[in-house]
Amino acid sequence: GAVVSQHPSRVICKSGTSVKIECRSLDFQATTMFWYRQFPKKSLMLMATSNEGSKATYEQGVEKDKFLINHASLTLSTLTVTSAHPEDSSFYICSAGGATTNEKLFFGSGTQLSVL
Amino acid sequence: DQQVKQNSPSLSVQEGRISILNCDYTNSMFDYFLWYKKYPAEGPTFLISISSIKDKNEDGRFTVFLNKSAKHLSLHIVPSQPGDSAVYFCAASARANQFYFGTGTSLTVIP
Repeated sequence: GAVVSQHPSRVICKSGTSVKIECRSLDFQATTMFWYRQFPKKSLMLMATSNEGSKATYEQGVEKDKFLINHASLTLSTLTVTSAHPEDSSFYICSAGGATTNEKLFFGSGTQLSVL
Repeated sequence: DQQVKQNSPSLSVQEGRISILNCDYTNSMFDYFLWYKKYPAEGPTFLISISSIKDKNEDGRFTVFLNKSAKHLSLHIVPSQPGDSAVYFCAASARANQFYFGTGTSLTVIP
């Protein structure tokens, strides 16, 4: 089946630094990718929808300047957490869907971000 | 406000028995529903789906039932196996490629 690779799987950084998370679709073209944040014991919260070649669509309450999303190609989307703070510590997951996978979302393995 | 709810955070079932995971939703515009399975430290993986034109979809040991009037869907796993132990998320969609997830139910299948 389709594979989505997310990197890094874990990152620890100091407060105030920026962290970039990559999401790649390995064997299909992903015109749309999604970024989620998971809080302990809570659902995956959709943060933004990333469309190849255009600006991302952010969900209400998600800061665009804080969470920069770039989807420059059909196989790569990046999420940059700028000036990270301890409250940004969370598990971030991407998912991808393309024309051939319209009924299914394929998820990356997630990135555990810890901001000290 | 949570549009998709899984009111049971956990469930324990004996191996070989039936596991029933429930999911309720509030948005009557949802017309496509999915179940995802998630192991610790991994992203959720797609399990089974159902569209609103059906009330049942079966795939091997997994069956999803949809009751539109009650805005309720359930996932049945029979027979349950220890490898089924995971967190199960239901998700709903009103338009392509955007899904709302429930909070998940942690299933433990006891050998």
